[in-house]
This record gives sequence, C-alpha cells and structure tokens, in this order.
Amino acid sequence: EVQLVESGGGLVKPGGSLRLSCAASGFTFSSYTMNWVRQAPGKGLEWVSSISSSSRYIYYADSVKGRFTISRDNAKNSLYLQMNSLRAEDTAVYYCARDPSGGWYADWGQGTLVTVSS
Amino acid sequence: DIQMTQSPSSLSASVGDRVTITCRASQSISSYLSWYQQKPGKAPKLLIYAASSLQSGVPSRFSGSGSGTDFTLTISSLQPEDFATYYCQQSYNTPRTFGQGTKVEIK
Repeated sequence: EVQLVESGGGLVKPGGSLRLSCAASGFTFSSYTMNWVRQAPGKGLEWVSSISSSSRYIYYADSVKGRFTISRDNAKNSLYLQMNSLRAEDTAVYYCARDPSGGWYADWGQGTLVTVSS
Repeated sequence: DIQMTQSPSSLSASVGDRVTITCRASQSISSYLSWYQQKPGKAPKLLIYAASSLQSGVPSRFSGSGSGTDFTLTISSLQPEDFATYYCQQSYNTPRTFGQGTKVEIK
C-alpha cells in the first residue's frame, strides 16, 4: 500500500523559513516524479512544485519560484520542500503527491498545515 | 498558463440523480485531464485520468469524457458518499493547473 506522510508544518512569522518532509513507502520511490500541491483555507488546489525521479527536472509555480526549493533523497525515500521568505499567502495545507506517469496525482499524503502569521 | 474553468461552481442533487460537471481548458490539452474528489478535511482522491480512464478502485458510476478543450465528469447515480467537491486538472504542460472546484451538495 502506498503511503505518503508529510511533516514539518507549523506556525511561522512572515519572512521565516520551514522545511517540509514527505516520507514515502509502499512503492519504488526512486522511479516516480513527486510533487507538492497546496490548498489555502477554504480555497482550491494549487500545484507548487515537481521533481523528476532522478532530480534532473525541477519545476516551480511562479508564486513560489526563488523562495521554495524542492529536493528528494531516494536512499531515504523522502521528498522535501524548503520554504524561505514565507508570506501570509503561503498559508495552506501542503500535500505531497505521486505522479504515476502522466502528470496526474494518484496518491496523496494527509497534508501538513503551514500558517504564516505574526 | 492554461486556465481550467469548471461549471457549475456548486450544485444540489438528490441520491440517485445523474450529475454532470464540465471543465473547459483555455487551450487544447488533448486528453491530459484528470478528475479528483475531495471531502472536507481529507486529501483529494484521483477518480479519472487521461480524460476517461477510471482509476483502480473507483466505482463505475463515475465516468469521464472529452478531449481538446471540453471535458465532462458524470456520476450516473449519485450516492450519499459522493457529496464532495470535485476538481479537474490539466497535465498537458507546466504549470499544472486545477479548476476552481465544483461542490456537490445534498438537495
């Protein structure tokens, strides 16, 4: 069974930093593109970033480019999102999601809440 | 960026009703379209990928159709557990974009 478990969320002041983690199990992590998708309170889904299986291809939404960094450690079956210069509008539940091949998200974690507030 | 527009934004329906949700892309996305169901406080769940392929384990009352710019999610006979918010998403290019969501409520 595929499991994705996010951690690292919390309350942070504007301008601060957080590092999210996603622990993967139940599949060959090193074979799949992984993603971060977020959802602001009461709002819709927003794709944040993706990283290919070997980390060769990395993409970001314009809203986070230059502030967030996605990475992965295939030896540890883990996905990360380093978030710097956080803004109030980054407040959201952050999900990690597995792309089986075609750019859709077959498996999701339970999400971790990031709140940016003074 | 490709804009995805869903309609309606919300709808009220009864158990047993046939429900149709549409999603329109701002440019052709071929069949790179997926549908998700999300219940309050839960992660989204993949229902349909590649416009019309049913994800494993999803009931057959869910179906998807369309290609190019216009797509449809149909629930043939609405069940109590289907009351939720539904999102479409394009994977034709990056950035991946989602529709704004359609909330299906109990009439």
